[in-house]
Amino acid sequence: QKEVEQNSGPLSVPEGAIASLNCTYSDRGSQSFFWYRQYSGKSPELIMSIYSNGDKEDGRFTAQLNKASQYVSLLIRDSQPSDSATYLCAVIQGGGGFKTIFGAGTRLFVKA
Amino acid sequence: SQTIHQWPATLVQPVGSPLSLECTVEGTSNPNLYWYRQAAGRGLQLLFYSVGIGQISSEVPQNLSASRPQDRQFILSSKKLLLSDSGFYLCAWNKWGPYEQYFGPGTRLTVT
Repeated sequence: QKEVEQNSGPLSVPEGAIASLNCTYSDRGSQSFFWYRQYSGKSPELIMSIYSNGDKEDGRFTAQLNKASQYVSLLIRDSQPSDSATYLCAVIQGGGGFKTIFGAGTRLFVKA
Repeated sequence: SQTIHQWPATLVQPVGSPLSLECTVEGTSNPNLYWYRQAAGRGLQLLFYSVGIGQISSEVPQNLSASRPQDRQFILSSKKLLLSDSGFYLCAWNKWGPYEQYFGPGTRLTVT
């Protein structure tokens, strides 16, 4: 059973701090990795995608991938109350298929 | 630009009643299409995916079915709803080069 594991949280950080969200995956053949943000009652929104080892930065967001450790992380700098949401880690199943495996999500609270 | 629509937005149905949820995508051709379900406080469960008209793959055996009568239309159906069918139903499509998956606004189904 291929899995994606996340700490369910909640993770609470003060406004302006760095929020660090982590994810591990079991399928060594996975090549594509994503972070989605989901506000309560809304559908998931893609915020970051990463395909190679290292860091990828987009505004206040940085995704980090380490395929050897099967580990993906998302850093949110200068956290804002509007960043309060559930963050879903997602991994494309290896083997050339089209299926995306989602983690259960980490709830983030940013305190003003 | 691409847009994905789902309707209805909310639905309350009695146990044993039929179900039909519709999803359409605009601005792209021959997308892969997906149906997910998210139970309250839970992660995303892939129900069905389709790589083309009439081609449906089922991920979870249950009383739901899916159909793709047109290239950009994906329908989720049930003949008799169960209480356990309650949840947030999400349709998604993927963009190629690189692969990314985007979600529609979702349908919140409550079976009473």
